[in-house]
Amino acid sequence: GQQLNQSPQSMFIQEGEDVSMNCTSSSIFNTWLWYKQDPGEGPVLLIALYKAGELTSNGRLTAQFGITRKDSFLNISASIPSDVGIYFCAGTSNAGNNRKLIWGLGTSLAVNP
Amino acid sequence: DGGITQSPKYLFRKEGQNVTLSCEQNLNHDAMYWYRQDPGQGLRLIYYSQIVNDFQKGDIAEGYSVSREKKESFPLTVTSAQKNPTAFYLCASTLFMGGEAFFGQGTRLTVV
Repeated sequence: GQQLNQSPQSMFIQEGEDVSMNCTSSSIFNTWLWYKQDPGEGPVLLIALYKAGELTSNGRLTAQFGITRKDSFLNISASIPSDVGIYFCAGTSNAGNNRKLIWGLGTSLAVNP
Repeated sequence: DGGITQSPKYLFRKEGQNVTLSCEQNLNHDAMYWYRQDPGQGLRLIYYSQIVNDFQKGDIAEGYSVSREKKESFPLTVTSAQKNPTAFYLCASTLFMGGEAFFGQGTRLTVV
């Protein structure tokens, strides 16, 4: 099935550093969603984006819906140890009548205290 | 509190046995989904259901079966035809197709 191109695949950073990750698609998307998955748990929704150019924050997290509607970015400022986990992007496109969510492969984040 | 519940959290089965994973939601969502997660492979869609008594195959449906007799419930059966069933299974629901997905806590299935 179709997948989003999510990068980087993994990151290892020092506590206090800022983090940036992104997702790109080959088609125009209507919705971008960002999730975090803790080890052994289900993903939890962090931020939802519905409009091109939209910039939304959730605490230290900020996400943007790209103007071209083919990409989205997630930034984490001043990282802390509990930011460790896998971050997934997901979205829906205009293509076809089936509006299933399409997922990226995830960015694994490790934070060194 | 509204949410989506998967049970059990851990499940062990012998090779060749069928096993059913439970998923219940009280969010009044129309659509429900089953995903399989293996290390480094993200979330792969097994089956989904947009409405009661209807379901569709996802990208990796072979060796799995589902039913949707009630809006709240979407059980997944891993059959003996599934060649490599050991994985982490996630159930999710959305208010409508393509909406914000809410996930259960997952079931880790180990087949020995």
